Amino acid sequence: SAVISQKPSRDICQRGTSLTIQCQVDSQVTMMFWYRQQPGQSLTLIATANQGSEATYESGFVIDKFPISRPNLTFSTLTVSNMSPEDSSIYLCSVGGVGEKLFFGSGTQLSVL
Amino acid sequence: KNEVEQSPQNLTAQEGEFITINCSYSVGISALHWLQQHPGGGIVSLFMLSSGKKKHGRLIATINIQEKHSSLHITASHPRDSAVYICAVRDDKIIFGKGTRLHILP
Repeated sequence: SAVISQKPSRDICQRGTSLTIQCQVDSQVTMMFWYRQQPGQSLTLIATANQGSEATYESGFVIDKFPISRPNLTFSTLTVSNMSPEDSSIYLCSVGGVGEKLFFGSGTQLSVL
Repeated sequence: KNEVEQSPQNLTAQEGEFITINCSYSVGISALHWLQQHPGGGIVSLFMLSSGKKKHGRLIATINIQEKHSSLHITASHPRDSAVYICAVRDDKIIFGKGTRLHILP
């Protein structure tokens, strides 16, 4: 199993600012995943973060808007840059490879004014 | 058509009732996951299935690979079971359903 500490749990931000979300895992993992969950919607994968290489972004998400760091096998950050109200969502990090259970951070509820 | 469909979208029941949440999918999968999301956003994994049936406490999950269908059952439901239940399938990537919002009344 894996325990993931995610912070902040929530934040209210002004338009045009940036927020960095952190996830710390209690064990070493190869891949970490970052998701966005817009109100009433399912989880959408933003990117896959691999240690020692650039993150892999899904269609519709770009590095300039959502830069990701993965400095070691237990830690990752996601930054939401130049925020607008449309970025108001829950952001979650997750681990779990093929054949493994999925583990999630506690989520970051972001509201952009 | 969504690749993962859940029903019902919302469900309100009395404490003690037997609950069934359904998940249908249209893609080939290597595993299906049932997840529980509480207010505030945190998600907990309940089951990972590739065939048959699994049971944990009052929760039972079944999957029929041929029919591409899975069900999550809750026996003797309790207000603390109130949450959003999400079905997710994995092939080369993970696809999530929109979730079923369950509210158990005391």
